[in-house]
Amino acid sequence: GQNIDQPTEMTATEGAIVQINCTYQTSGFNGLFWYQQHAGEAPTFLSYNVLDGLEEKGRFSSFLSRSKGYSYLLLKELQMKDSASYLCAVRDKGAGAGSYQLTFGKGTKLSVIP
Amino acid sequence: DTGVSQNPRHKITKRGQNVTFRCDPISEHNRLYWYRQTLGQGPEFLTYFQNEAQLEKSRLLSDRFSAERPKGSFSTLEIQRTEQGDSAMYLCASSLTGAHEKLFFGSGTQLSVL
Repeated sequence: GQNIDQPTEMTATEGAIVQINCTYQTSGFNGLFWYQQHAGEAPTFLSYNVLDGLEEKGRFSSFLSRSKGYSYLLLKELQMKDSASYLCAVRDKGAGAGSYQLTFGKGTKLSVIP
Repeated sequence: DTGVSQNPRHKITKRGQNVTFRCDPISEHNRLYWYRQTLGQGPEFLTYFQNEAQLEKSRLLSDRFSAERPKGSFSTLEIQRTEQGDSAMYLCASSLTGAHEKLFFGSGTQLSVL
């Protein structure tokens, strides 16, 4: 099985930078995803890491270290609209063939304040 | 491409009643997933289909839950003899098989069991 940990809540100031950490334990790592979810809405895809290193996409970057079971999502130039929950999810090859399901952490609720 | 569509958006039912939800995935996507999410938690995997075949079911899925994808396109999730603990957001997601496949989520069906 998997164990995914991320902080429950964070608060940051508009225009600042915030880093949301995620640690995980898995038996057959096959990729790590970050999703953004506004209250009452569907999760939307932000980033995907399968190799170690940093993936940058505009104001958002995601980092992965497979040996440490660690990832972070970095949000730069924070805007009020970035207030949302950020979900870390791990894909595991699983015990059976064809297992591609994602296991999600509980999410980090980010509040951006003026 | 209109995204993943789910209906109804909201369902209120009395304990013991049966309910059925529908999901229409993105048209070219061959994989379809059902997840359940409760307040303050990340989405929890229920089951997934590749085309019309149901390939994996969570051990958390009781025998009151059944899902179908008869023609490999839309899917239905039925809950029989609903219980108050079934109250949650039921999310559907779809994806296209590939090395870096990512899940696209629908807006979900919010179920309230009274």
